[in-house]
Amino acid sequence: GNSVTQMEGPVTLSEEAFLTINCTYTATGYPSLFWYVQYPGEGLQLLLKATKADDKGSNKGFEATYRKETTSFHLEKGSVQVSDSAVYFCALSRGRDDKIIFGKGTRLHILP
Amino acid sequence: DGGITQSPKYLFRKEGQNVTLSCEQNLNHDAMYWYRQDPGQGLRLIYYSQIVNDFQKGDIAEGYSVSREKKESFPLTVTSAQKNPTAFYLCASSPDSLTGELFFGEGSRLTVL
Repeated sequence: GNSVTQMEGPVTLSEEAFLTINCTYTATGYPSLFWYVQYPGEGLQLLLKATKADDKGSNKGFEATYRKETTSFHLEKGSVQVSDSAVYFCALSRGRDDKIIFGKGTRLHILP
Repeated sequence: DGGITQSPKYLFRKEGQNVTLSCEQNLNHDAMYWYRQDPGQGLRLIYYSQIVNDFQKGDIAEGYSVSREKKESFPLTVTSAQKNPTAFYLCASSPDSLTGELFFGEGSRLTVL
């Protein structure tokens, strides 16, 4: 069945460090891929998405490229800030009334 | 502003009591969802509804019930049959099933005393 696997956290980095959070998926067909972010005590917000192979989603300095050959959608940011501290969820959807599948989340902690 | 409103934000319940969590949206979205979030387990789907007066069980529906009498509202009842109800509950909606994009409320934290 469809599934999403993302790196376990917590991930702790210093401010201005480079960030990578790995995400790989298993799915039939051509799913859309998403990164959601959850700040402390809040619900999830869509961070970025990509709907087809080689698409790059980007927002707030974060980027992720849909790699069909490696079934991956890794999240990257060149210089993290303390305000980026949150839990990040990778997700996929095949649309057409299919349920959205979430990874387990990766907690990111940025030190000043 | 358009969005999803969940209430209450915090709720305490004694064992054996049913409790209902409210979810209201003014985004005119057809689909609505309830997720449960536990530490280290990500999000698990409880129930979802793609149209008024219709809903389907998700992966962990036992001990929960829902209704969808209006497009804007999708309340979740946590019944006494739910053995471990202490969790963070998230409601979400989606403009259509093709995009797969969800809009979330701020969540309700339920604690069973």
